[in-house]
Amino acid sequence: AQSVTQPDIHITVSEGASLELRCNYSYGATPYLFWYVQSPGQGLQLLLKYFSGDTLVQGIKGFEAEFKRSQSSFNLRKPSVHWSDAAEYFCAVGAPTDSWGKFQFGAGTQVVVTP
Amino acid sequence: ETGVTQSPTHLIKTRGQQVTLRCSSQSGHNTVSWYQQALGQGPQFIFQYYREEENGRGNFPPRFSGLQFPNYSSELNVNALELDDSALYLCASSSQGYEQYFGPGTRLTVT
Repeated sequence: AQSVTQPDIHITVSEGASLELRCNYSYGATPYLFWYVQSPGQGLQLLLKYFSGDTLVQGIKGFEAEFKRSQSSFNLRKPSVHWSDAAEYFCAVGAPTDSWGKFQFGAGTQVVVTP
Repeated sequence: ETGVTQSPTHLIKTRGQQVTLRCSSQSGHNTVSWYQQALGQGPQFIFQYYREEENGRGNFPPRFSGLQFPNYSSELNVNALELDDSALYLCASSSQGYEQYFGPGTRLTVT
């Protein structure tokens, strides 16, 4: 069975500093991988996704993520954080053999941005 | 282009009651997935509807049921509500194999 782990429940970062959010997954083959962001009172917005090919994926809002098969990881990064990046971030995996949209989400990482 | 909408925004029910949540999918999308997001947790997949048929289900009991209509909008029904059903219920629409777009969710409180 697939699983997703986000080791950091909460991260505080200064505005302008870099940010890295960790995501580890467990799955027999290479799954589909996603990062979503959720602002308070809102639904989830897709930041980026990985299906295959280039392991460094660029997303919206200046985010990127790198797929590392050897480490079963898909970490999200942003070089310089803006106050508007304060939100909860979720990593998700989907099995290519499963019905599309049957994603498993991690528990999330809450990002706080300080001035 | 109208995004995914959900109704109601909030509701409060009593244990044992039944509830129906509604989702209007984005134009052109034929697939709707429902997720339950308990406080402090990530969303959990409940089930998916594709062209009016259930197309995959997560680990939820049969008292969670759904429908998809010819216009691809969808309903989530929960019978015999329990306190643990209190959560944010998210619906997401997509075309098979493409990005899912999430609605803002319905916050259900069971007392």
